[in-house]
Amino acid sequence: AQTVTQSQPEMSVQEAETVTLSCTYDTSESDYYLFWYKQPPSRQMILVIRQEAYKQQNATENRFSVNFQKAAKSFSLKISDSQLGDAAMYFCAFFGGGTSYGKLTFGQGTILTVHP
Amino acid sequence: DVKVTQSSRYLVKRTGEKVFLECVQDMDHENMFWYRQDPGLGLRLIYFSYDVKMQEKGDIPEGYSVSREKKERFSLILESASTNQTSMYLCASRTGTITDTQYFGPGTRLTVL
Repeated sequence: AQTVTQSQPEMSVQEAETVTLSCTYDTSESDYYLFWYKQPPSRQMILVIRQEAYKQQNATENRFSVNFQKAAKSFSLKISDSQLGDAAMYFCAFFGGGTSYGKLTFGQGTILTVHP
Repeated sequence: DVKVTQSSRYLVKRTGEKVFLECVQDMDHENMFWYRQDPGLGLRLIYFSYDVKMQEKGDIPEGYSVSREKKERFSLILESASTNQTSMYLCASRTGTITDTQYFGPGTRLTVL
C-alpha cells in the first residue's frame, strides 16, 4: 500500500517570501500521479498543482512549483512571493494503480501561516 | 465551474442515531467519494462510487454505508452514530477518467454526543 508523509505539521512564512512544503511517499509503482491540494479556512479543498511521474520536468502553476525527485520519492511544493491568501492547510496526495486504483492517498497535511 | 455541495456545514447528533450526509454534484461526474478528515491523519477514504448503485469500500468503511440512487447524489449513512465518528466529512467527485482532478465539497463537521 502506498503511504504519503508530510513531516511538517506547521510552517510559517512572511508575506512576499518563499516557503517550501515537504512531502515524501512510498510506492513500488513506476507510473503514478502526485498532487498538492489547498484547504483554506473555509474548507473547500482545491487542487493547486499536479505532477505525472513519467514527466521529468517539474510542474509549475504561477507562483506554485514542485520539486519532484522520483528516485528519492520526494515531492515538495514551493510557494514564491507568498500572499496572505496562501494561508491554508496543504495536503500532498498520491494516485497510482493496482489495488488503490481510483483513489487518492493523502498525507497528514501542513498548516501554512502567512505573516504580513 | 464544478460545484459539489453538502447538505449541512455543521451537524450535531446523539449516540445511536442514524445519520445521513448528503452530497450533490452538478457536473455529471461518474465517480464520487466520501472522506473523513481528522487532525494528524489527513483525509481517509470511506467509500467511493463509480456509477449509480455501484460502490466500493475505501480504507475505513466500518460503521458506514452509502447510497447512490442518482448519478448526482451520493449519501453517506451512519447506521448508529458513535462518538468516534465525530469528524469532518468531505465529499468529492470526479469524471470517469481516473487521472482527472477530484473536486471537493465544503465539508460537514459532524459532532456525535
